[in-house]
Amino acid sequence: ETGVTQTPRHLVMGMTNKKSLKCEQHLGHNAMYWYKQSAKKPLELMFVYNFKEQTENNSVPSRFSPECPNSSHLFLHLHTLQPEDSALYLCASSQDTSGAYNEQFFGPGTRLTVL
Amino acid sequence: DAKTTQPTSMDCAEGRAANLPCNHSTISGNEYVYWYRQIHSQGPQYIIHGLKNNETNEMASLIITEDRKSSTLILPHATLRDTAVYYCIVRVQSYQKVTFGTGTKLQVIP
Repeated sequence: ETGVTQTPRHLVMGMTNKKSLKCEQHLGHNAMYWYKQSAKKPLELMFVYNFKEQTENNSVPSRFSPECPNSSHLFLHLHTLQPEDSALYLCASSQDTSGAYNEQFFGPGTRLTVL
Repeated sequence: DAKTTQPTSMDCAEGRAANLPCNHSTISGNEYVYWYRQIHSQGPQYIIHGLKNNETNEMASLIITEDRKSSTLILPHATLRDTAVYYCIVRVQSYQKVTFGTGTKLQVIP
């Protein structure tokens, strides 16, 4: 148990559906991240939020829309996805940028399948 | 962030020490060495990190060469639950641009 929870753990959706992934951290961290992990590929950083402000968008298509209402919650809104978007979506959190201890704590991930 | 090179896979007998190497010959002076692991179907888990000195915690030890161009993660008594992909990452303290490579798949054998 890392203190980072993600729901749902599994999601199957059609290409015309709209769904949202939720991440919550109970660690008092100020930075939160979304990563994508496709089969047999390295983790890809998607978005970074620090103190609720988006500070990184790693050229992610607009069909993925992040939302960070507060430092403890992070959402990833999905719409009109493609089958190639099927992957494990991981959320992580860390302290802010001050200090050396910026290790990231990951949630268990949401396994997304787009039909 | 500096690029890292790790073997694709390794085997280790249960109860023996697992030594996982990582080359980072282009590491710069302000970059730390971090190790994470990812057990199948779970999120990555932080293990340890260091700058110049060797580090030890309850999970593992990290040995960094004097020139900092390579490091070794040591799991002193590997168990079957240590079977995972281990990622070596070098980065500055900034939270951004943490780049995971393909890692080393460690198989602990009974």
